[in-house]
Amino acid sequence: RKEVEQDPGPFNVPEGATVAFNCTYSNSASQSFFWYRQDCRKEPKLLMSVYSSGNEDGRFTAQLNRASQYISLLIRDSKLSDSATYLCVVNAGSARQLTFGSGTQLTVLP
Amino acid sequence: DVKVTQSSRYLVKRTGEKVFLECVQDMDHENMFWYRQDPGLGLRLIYFSYDVKMKEKGDIPEGYSVSREKKERFSLILESASTNQTSMYLCASSPRLANYGYTFGSGTRLTVV
Repeated sequence: RKEVEQDPGPFNVPEGATVAFNCTYSNSASQSFFWYRQDCRKEPKLLMSVYSSGNEDGRFTAQLNRASQYISLLIRDSKLSDSATYLCVVNAGSARQLTFGSGTQLTVLP
Repeated sequence: DVKVTQSSRYLVKRTGEKVFLECVQDMDHENMFWYRQDPGLGLRLIYFSYDVKMKEKGDIPEGYSVSREKKERFSLILESASTNQTSMYLCASSPRLANYGYTFGSGTRLTVV
């Protein structure tokens, strides 16, 4: 079983749609959780950290469910510029090292 | 603004050449990492370092070595480049505890011909 698993997609959604991605992790001792965004042929960039109580940043909402060991990312009112690959990231057993999921590809269509 | 700088954006090298990829960070981070990224395979960890002169193998170290003589600089070395090392190489750094995530360099797209 992979340490961090994501549905690779692709997710193709119209502008204005709401889309949600889930990610599961295997190590119950994990403490840090993130969503990264990666544009085509660019480096990954931190989108948001995920906190136990859930957190929101504009149109983006992240949730953590420790009991079921998954995190989610909700994007409301999708924009064309949201098209990217979204990486789920967890510190799977090491406080100094992060484990990256393979990413979920999102395309927002006009 | 904090930065991780990779020396080259694009490189073309010949099979058998020794290749050096340089990464410099200006954030006084302890941890530095080298990844390669290929379509459909995600990010794969090659080597990492938690301190000067310290290095540890990641998941795919074969054919690579690293050097960390100064805290801010982490070099990846392809001892004898091969075509299957054609890839995007990404350097990242973080503070000692990675609870604020990693900062990535802009990547080096290496083609070995």
